[in-house]
Amino acid sequence: AQSVTQLGSHVSVSEGALVLLRCNYSSSVPPYLFWYVQYPNQGLQLLLKYTSAATLVKGINGFEAEFKKSETSFHLTKPSAHMSDAAEYFCAVSEGYGGSQGNLIFGKGTKLSVKP
Amino acid sequence: DAGVIQSPRHEVTEMGQEVTLRCKPISGHDYLFWYRQTMMRGLELLIYFNNNVPIDDSGMPEDRFSAKMPNASFSTLKIQPSEPRDSAVYFCASSQTGTGNTIYFGEGSWLTVV
Repeated sequence: AQSVTQLGSHVSVSEGALVLLRCNYSSSVPPYLFWYVQYPNQGLQLLLKYTSAATLVKGINGFEAEFKKSETSFHLTKPSAHMSDAAEYFCAVSEGYGGSQGNLIFGKGTKLSVKP
Repeated sequence: DAGVIQSPRHEVTEMGQEVTLRCKPISGHDYLFWYRQTMMRGLELLIYFNNNVPIDDSGMPEDRFSAKMPNASFSTLKIQPSEPRDSAVYFCASSQTGTGNTIYFGEGSWLTVV
């Protein structure tokens, strides 16, 4: 069974500050891990994904995430927040290579606010 | 390339009416998913298909909900009769085997039942 826990339903940062959104996962098999972003009134858009290659994954809009197996974490970071980063962010997990294809298990989301 | 296309984008209907939401997945994708998003419950998987066959419908709330996928390029989610508590955003999404399970979402259908 797989699960995802996102710590903090709301995170607020100042423009230019570091963004850190936390995600911990549980998986009985090597996982694939994802971050999606949802802007207001839009669908979810893939930000980045980990598929067992490099543990530090770079995504769009300057975001990156690091897979840490020992901590079962996949936290999302961005060195300097921009007003346009205000959105809801979802972490998700699936079974990795050789596992079953299909659904992703999503976390409950973290809403990021950016203060001017 | 065209993404996942959903229609209608917005619908307001009266309680008791039938609602049909439509989805065209990305061409070549063999998985199709229907999700529901509400403030209270977040993002919920309702049902998903592989090669037009329903694989897991355990998230379908009750018998008022039904989903079909008659061919690889079209799916419907039907609610009959609709109730106010069905008000939500319904997302269709698709993915392709061998691409690392990446799911691509449509823009959503915003349903309000009054």
